[in-house]
Amino acid sequence: KQEVTQIPAALSVPEGENLVLNCSFTDSAIYNLQWFRQDPGKGLTSLLLIQSSQREQTSGRLNASLDKSSGRSTLYIAASQPGDSATYLCAVPTNPGYSTLTFGKGTMLLVSP
Amino acid sequence: DAGVIQSPRHEVTEMGQEVTLRCKPISGHDYLFWYRQTMMRGLELLIYFNNNVPIDDSGMPEDRFSAKMPNASFSTLKIQPSEPRDSAVYFCASTYGGALIETQYFGPGTRLLVL
Repeated sequence: KQEVTQIPAALSVPEGENLVLNCSFTDSAIYNLQWFRQDPGKGLTSLLLIQSSQREQTSGRLNASLDKSSGRSTLYIAASQPGDSATYLCAVPTNPGYSTLTFGKGTMLLVSP
Repeated sequence: DAGVIQSPRHEVTEMGQEVTLRCKPISGHDYLFWYRQTMMRGLELLIYFNNNVPIDDSGMPEDRFSAKMPNASFSTLKIQPSEPRDSAVYFCASTYGGALIETQYFGPGTRLLVL
């Protein structure tokens, strides 16, 4: 059974810092991995989707990497801003060929001005 | 497109009452997912549909929970009777082609409080 773990559970940083969020998964036979953002009281919004053939994806100040063999992914946020404050969740397909996702519990990020 | 639409956004009810949550997926999407989110258990998949047909309902916690998708533009999640432990945020999400290809698009959620 696929399990996804995110470390740390919460992170507080001053504005301007570069930071890394971690995600690990138990079954490395995945087709892709996704990072989502959830603002308080809101739904999830997809940030980045990395296919298994890719090693990383970039969107603006965000960079996500994927290492299937070690079952790990990282989300790097450069020059953090207060607007980045949110919960970040990673997700992988529950099983190869399945259409469902297994989510981590997320990392709650607070960026202080 | 307006995105995934859920109603109501908030629901407060008393134990034993019937609760119906509604979802309108993004037009053209062929997959619809119902999730429940709590602090303790995180985001859990309850059930999902493909082309209006329920595919996997193994995440539905009890027989008190039921879901339907009568057409491609509407789905309901019903809890009858409701219990305090059902208090959570319920999300609906939709996508085209499943998790193998595309991301899932989430609605804003329904915050349910059962007293």
